[in-house]
Amino acid sequence: QVQLQQSGPGLVKPSQTLSLTCAISGDSVSSNSMAWNWIRQSPSRGLEWLGRTYYRSKWFNDYAPSVKSRITVNPDTSKNQFSLQLNSVTPEDTAVYYCARGLMASGINYWGQGTLVTVSS
Amino acid sequence: QSALTQPPSASGSPGQSVTISCTGTSSDVGSYNSVAWYQQHPGKAPKLMIYEVTKRPSGVPDRFSGSKSGNTASLTVSGLQAEDEADYYCSSYAGSNNLVFGGGTKLTVL
Repeated sequence: QVQLQQSGPGLVKPSQTLSLTCAISGDSVSSNSMAWNWIRQSPSRGLEWLGRTYYRSKWFNDYAPSVKSRITVNPDTSKNQFSLQLNSVTPEDTAVYYCARGLMASGINYWGQGTLVTVSS
Repeated sequence: QSALTQPPSASGSPGQSVTISCTGTSSDVGSYNSVAWYQQHPGKAPKLMIYEVTKRPSGVPDRFSGSKSGNTASLTVSGLQAEDEADYYCSSYAGSNNLVFGGGTKLTVL
């Protein structure tokens, strides 16, 4: 059974960097058939896919156009986890952030527990 | 504003059927058979209910079914049960390695 366990601060100051980590059990971040995603949810923006990392003989990343200039998703093979960094945050980045496993073509089938991140001074 | 358009609410009585629509464009829903539907109960993470337009993951009741016509996808819940009351979201591959979601539909079982 795949489980995703998120960790990271729930409060970030404006202009700073939001950082979250997602630890994977029951699968490998280096899987050749899966992708590892970050998705957020807020009342104003609904569900929003942010980005992903995946391994297909080498590492790839894809990012949503809305955050492409500010986001980095990195795998950590030594700890079997992946991370999200979102730079220069504003209050509009306040949301519940989810890590998730799945492919765009066939759906996101495992989700982390969600982390409410508030951007406020 | 979400990329895919869903009605804000839908309702039905126990045992009835209800259909939720998800309207996109020829660049997303209309171009790819990569529509998925998610169920979300309050305070919980979304749960995959339908993928690739019509397929059900293991464990999802066959009361849930999906379809697509042109730029609009639909989720039908037959034989409504109290536990089906939740928010439902659609998603679609939108090309260029991008995934978009609908704004969500709150399903009420009367």
